[in-house]
Amino acid sequence: GAVVSQHPSWVICKSGTSVKIECRSLDFQATTMFWYRQFPKQSLMLMATSNEGSKATYEQGVEKDKFLINHASLTLSTLTVTSAHPEDSSFYICSARVSGQGANEQFFGPGTRLTVL
Amino acid sequence: KQEVTQIPAALSVPEGENLVLNCSFTDSAIYNLQWFRQDPGKGLTSLLLIQSSQREQTSGRLNASLDKSSGRSTLYIAASQPGDSATYLCAALGNNDMRFGAGTRLTVKP
Repeated sequence: GAVVSQHPSWVICKSGTSVKIECRSLDFQATTMFWYRQFPKQSLMLMATSNEGSKATYEQGVEKDKFLINHASLTLSTLTVTSAHPEDSSFYICSARVSGQGANEQFFGPGTRLTVL
Repeated sequence: KQEVTQIPAALSVPEGENLVLNCSFTDSAIYNLQWFRQDPGKGLTSLLLIQSSQREQTSGRLNASLDKSSGRSTLYIAASQPGDSATYLCAALGNNDMRFGAGTRLTVKP
């Protein structure tokens, strides 16, 4: 299957700093990428959908100015958590969608654990 | 908006038992239904993917079924083992995105 990577796998930062997480589709091009957030013992909640070359679409309750998403190429999307606070500590997972020619499937990265002190 | 529900939220069984995990979804217009396994602190491991045109998929001791008309899917685990202990998530892929259930936390006791 298709491979999606994320970097870094974990990060610890001080409150007030910004953190960038990268998501790459390694062996395919993804016109659409997704960012999910998972709090401890909870399920994955969709944060935003990003299409290459256009602005991301955010789910209700997700602050677009706090979680900046850039999808500048068909293989790379980035999520920047700006002015991070302890409540932003979470597990962030990206996903890339393959669609067309009768196939529709999403492939997931391994996740990034963010801890804000 | 698609809503996915999983029951039970938690399940504890003795080793060797056969068990069924349930998943329901509100919008039947899906491309596929996928079951994942997640170990504590880890990412997702895809177990089975059922296309909307399919009724079931099997892999080893796992069997997943899909009934689009009723908005239900089940994951059957045969002869459970302690190594099966994990959280199992189902997710429905729609036209716009993939939505997840809250998961079933499974514990298999030796």
